[in-house]
Amino acid sequence: AQSVTQPDIHITVSEGASLELRCNYSYGATPYLFWYVQSPGQGLQLLLKYFSGDTLVQGIKGFEAEFKRSQSSFNLRKPSVHWSDAAEYFCAVGPNAGGTSYGKLTFGQGTILTVHP
Amino acid sequence: DAGVTQSPTHLIKTRGQQVTLRCSPKSGHDTVSWYQQALGQGPQFIFQYYEEEERQRGNFPDRFSGHQFPNYSSELNVNALLLGDSALYLCASSDAGVRGAFFGQGTRLTVV
Repeated sequence: AQSVTQPDIHITVSEGASLELRCNYSYGATPYLFWYVQSPGQGLQLLLKYFSGDTLVQGIKGFEAEFKRSQSSFNLRKPSVHWSDAAEYFCAVGPNAGGTSYGKLTFGQGTILTVHP
Repeated sequence: DAGVTQSPTHLIKTRGQQVTLRCSPKSGHDTVSWYQQALGQGPQFIFQYYEEEERQRGNFPDRFSGHQFPNYSSELNVNALLLGDSALYLCASSDAGVRGAFFGQGTRLTVV
């Protein structure tokens, strides 16, 4: 069964500092991988996704993530955090089914990011 | 493009009642999935609808049912509500050419 682990429940960084949020997945084949962000009481916004090819993917809001097959990881990074980045971040894995994204997404527990001025 | 829209935004129901939540997918999307997000948790997959049929289902009891209409909009129905059904219910839409689901703002259901 597929699963996603986000080891850090809560991370606090200072504005302007770099950020790395960890994500480890368990999946029988090459998965589709996603990072979503959720502000309080809101839905999920897609930050970036990985399907194949270049293992370093760029997303919106200056975020990037690197797929490391050997470590089953898909960590999210940002070189300089802004106060508006404070939110909850979710890593998700989905089935790589013949080039489509059909099928359920399995989410991690989420990492809450607090940004200090 | 209005994106994925869900209604209502908030709902309070009494234990044992039934509830219906609604979702309109993003324009051009034909697949709708529903997720339950309990407080402090990640979203959990309930089921997915495509061509008006349930294509995949997560580990949820039969009290949770759904429907998809010819215009691709969808409903989630929950019968015999339990206190534990209190959660944010998220609808996500996608299609064959879309890699990644787009989520609505959710419906916050409180069961008292």
